[in-house]
Amino acid sequence: DIQLTQSPSFLSASVGDRVTITCRASQGISSYLAWYQQKPGIAPKVLIYAASTLQSGVPSRFSGSGSGTEYTLTISSLQPEDFATYFCQQLNSFPITFGQGTRLDIK
Amino acid sequence: QVQLVESGGGVVQPGRSLRLSCAASGFTFSSYGMYWVRQAPGRGLESVAFISKDAGIKYHADSVKGRFSISRDNSKHTLYLQMNSLRDEDTAVYSCAREVSGSGTLYFFDLWGLGTLVTVSS
Repeated sequence: DIQLTQSPSFLSASVGDRVTITCRASQGISSYLAWYQQKPGIAPKVLIYAASTLQSGVPSRFSGSGSGTEYTLTISSLQPEDFATYFCQQLNSFPITFGQGTRLDIK
Repeated sequence: QVQLVESGGGVVQPGRSLRLSCAASGFTFSSYGMYWVRQAPGRGLESVAFISKDAGIKYHADSVKGRFSISRDNSKHTLYLQMNSLRDEDTAVYSCAREVSGSGTLYFFDLWGLGTLVTVSS
C-alpha cells in the first residue's frame, strides 16, 4: 500500500497568513493526488485534484503543486472560513489511501 | 437533492454481522463507481471497498478481505456493505463516496455521505 505522510499534523495561524501543508508518498503517484477540506459534521470537500487542478468553485487562494512523491497545498491568505482539517488522498493505485490530516486552527 | 445517506450502523458484538446501506439520490447512481471509506476514532481515513458502476469490478482492502463484501442495486439506487466476523478494530464511522473518473483515470471523490457509526464491542 502507498503510505501518505502529511505534515504538519497541527497548524496554528492567523487570518491573512500564508500556509503550506505537505503530503509525502512512500512511492511515486504520478500526480494522482487530491486535497480535501473537512469541517465538523460536514462531508469533505475537494479543493485540488491531479495535484494542481483547482476544483470548480474553490477560491483561487488555494493552490496545489508537486510531483513524484512530494506534494503541497498552499493557502495564500487565510480567511476565517478556512480554519478546518485538510487531508490528502492518492488515487494512483488501489488501495486508495489518505494522509492523516492537518488541523488548521486560529492563532 | 444530490446526496448519499448511510444507514445500518449500531453496536454489535465481536464475531457478529451487520449490513450497511447507502441510499443515493439526485443523480444517476448507475453511472458512478462507489466506495466505502471508514474512520476509526482518532485515526485517519481508510478506503474499505470499491465497486464499479456495473458491479463488474470489486475491490476490498486487505484488512477486510474475506469478511466484508460490497454490492449495489442500481434499480434501488443503493450501495451495500455486508460486514461479517466483525472485530473490535472495525469500530469506525463508515461513509460511502462517489468517484469522479474519466478515460480510466480516477480523479477524486466528489460526493460523500456523513457516515454511520459501527461499534464492535462485547
